[in-house]
Amino acid sequence: EIVMTQSPATLSVSPGERATLSCRASQSVSNNLAWYQQKPGQAPRLLIYGASTRATGIPARFSGSGSGTEFTLTISSLQSEDFAVYYCQQYNNWLRTFGQGTKLEIK
Amino acid sequence: EVQLVESGGGLVQPGRSLRLSCAASGFTFDDYAMHWVRQTPGKGLEWVSGISWNSGSIDYADSVKGRFTISRDNAKNSLYLQMNSLGAEDTALYYCARDIFTVLRGVADYWGQGSLVTVSS
Repeated sequence: EIVMTQSPATLSVSPGERATLSCRASQSVSNNLAWYQQKPGQAPRLLIYGASTRATGIPARFSGSGSGTEFTLTISSLQSEDFAVYYCQQYNNWLRTFGQGTKLEIK
Repeated sequence: EVQLVESGGGLVQPGRSLRLSCAASGFTFDDYAMHWVRQTPGKGLEWVSGISWNSGSIDYADSVKGRFTISRDNAKNSLYLQMNSLGAEDTALYYCARDIFTVLRGVADYWGQGSLVTVSS
């Protein structure tokens, strides 16, 4: 099983500032990495796939980078609606696995 | 508008069975692979099973292999998850999700609101 480790567990950032979230895979997943956003009481929402491709309708302030084992999700200028939990997920292996999540909270 | 609506969840005793359904609308169902993903407060998100557009490719997480069966009926625009020998560890909110691809990859671009399964005596 490929273990996905996200850091930090909680990130406190002020609106308008940049947020950088990290995700590490226990072995290479190439660029088969997705990022999701989840708000309380809602289903996850796909943000990024292929490590850096924005899903349909996702604002340009969300960007993804990385390959192999190290990945980053950057939100360039935080809006109030961006405060949520973010998950990375690998789909390189038949056993798709998620990270434990990073909670992005208002500072 | 793409919609995925799960049903069939509820309270079930350990060792019993339950069948989840997911009704899809707003897109051509047989153009996409589909998945079941579950979520618990303690374990977070866990991918459970996936099925390709024509049921030709099916995968299961080790934790459910041999107990759960995924299936689809393209004529009815529906996805199913038959869950047998349920245990407390299967208690979760179960989401139906659409893959962005026709083949089984694992990137879910649309999700239902979930169906809660509680396994308890």
